[in-house]
Order: sequence, then structure tokens, then C-alpha cells
Amino acid sequence: NAGVTQTPKFQVLKTGQSMTLQCAQDMNHEYMSWYRQDPGMGLRLIHYSVGAGITDQGEVPNGYNVSRSTTEDFPLRLLSAAPSQTSVYFCASSYSKAGTAYEQYFGPGTRLTVT
Amino acid sequence: DQQVKQNSPSLSVQEGRISILNCDYTNSMFDYFLWYKKYPAEGPTFLISISSIKDKNEDGRFTVFLNKSAKHLSLHIVPSQPGDSAVYFCAASAKYGGSQGNLIFGKGTKLSVKP
Repeated sequence: NAGVTQTPKFQVLKTGQSMTLQCAQDMNHEYMSWYRQDPGMGLRLIHYSVGAGITDQGEVPNGYNVSRSTTEDFPLRLLSAAPSQTSVYFCASSYSKAGTAYEQYFGPGTRLTVT
Repeated sequence: DQQVKQNSPSLSVQEGRISILNCDYTNSMFDYFLWYKKYPAEGPTFLISISSIKDKNEDGRFTVFLNKSAKHLSLHIVPSQPGDSAVYFCAASAKYGGSQGNLIFGKGTKLSVKP
């Protein structure tokens, strides 16, 4: 199993550009999520999904969109990049029991710089 | 307002000694707690977890203690090894309240184990 994969590993954007960060998992996990990690801030939840066709906002959703058309994929879209979105982005997935997901497996991250 | 707090940004320990990493939380609805380990340029990896119905969970050199009345948990690593040098994140999850499965992370503690 490849686990959780993320592409690209690095990306530089200009302010106002849009892009999609890709995330895929091959563990048949129902729960998937996106986090951003900033220096001294820990990991903060952006969006999450408890299954195909179901998404919801996390702690810091503004400026990001998600969709979940398949169990495997959970892309994160930046609509109009801003310097404040410079961060390291992690995708994670987990089994879900009765609507509750616990131990999450993380991808290697995407380092995004917005100039 | 931080719901999960790791008040020590860094900790330095001699190889072979015990490392104790601390974590406090404020939300009494949290019922599951996890520790993640993160090396530079990699995604966090799950280390150990504990349910609120327990006060201790052990896995090899790693033990997590939970004190519900104090809303405090700690991770003990015995004996510490240089390969344990990493950033350790404490995370918590609440089964109810519309955020099923979502993890709330602390800001992390950087552990350095010196040979």
C-alpha cells in the first residue's frame, strides 16, 4: 500500500493564482482531512470528509474548497492564493466507526509558498 | 482559544534517560487522545493513543498517562534514544458535538535526545 500520497511536494504561486493540491489514499478509508501547519501553530484543520459526497469545514476553511467524488481522492483547491496561505499542507485519512474517526494517517505534505 | 496546550516548545534529554512530554486540554468532551511524532519534511506519524476510559496505555518504550480530573496527559519515553529526536504533537478528539473524528492538535514539543 502506498498509504496517503500528496502532490506536488513543493509549489510556488503568485498572489491571485489558483491551484489544486492532490491527495489520494489506497486504504479504503472513509474519513479524509486537510490540515495546514504554520510555524508555532501546530496543525489546524481546514476541511474534512466523512465519506464520498460529504464534506464539511474545519477550523480555518476560508480561501479553500474541497470535494469528495470518490473514496480515494480528496483534492484541496485554493481559489485565489494569498501570502497568508503560505504553509505546509497535510492530507490525512482514517477508518471511521459509527461516524467517528480516530487514528489518522498523514501524507508527506505539500510546501506552498505564495509570493 | 487553545483547547489543547503543549506549554513546552522544546525539551532536551540525555540518551538513556526518560523523556516526559506534557499536554493539557480544556474541553471536557474530549474522549480520545493521541500522540504523533514528526520528523522534518515528513508527515506526522501516529505513536500511541489513549481512551478516556483508561488512565494508562503502554507500547514498548512509550507510555501515555491520562489524568482526567486535571485534564492532563503525558508521554513517557524510556529509555530515550537519539532517533526519538523529533517534534511531538498531542491531539484530542471528541465523539460528539458535530466534530466527530476531528483532531485538535497542540503546537508541539521539539524533543532533542543527546548522545
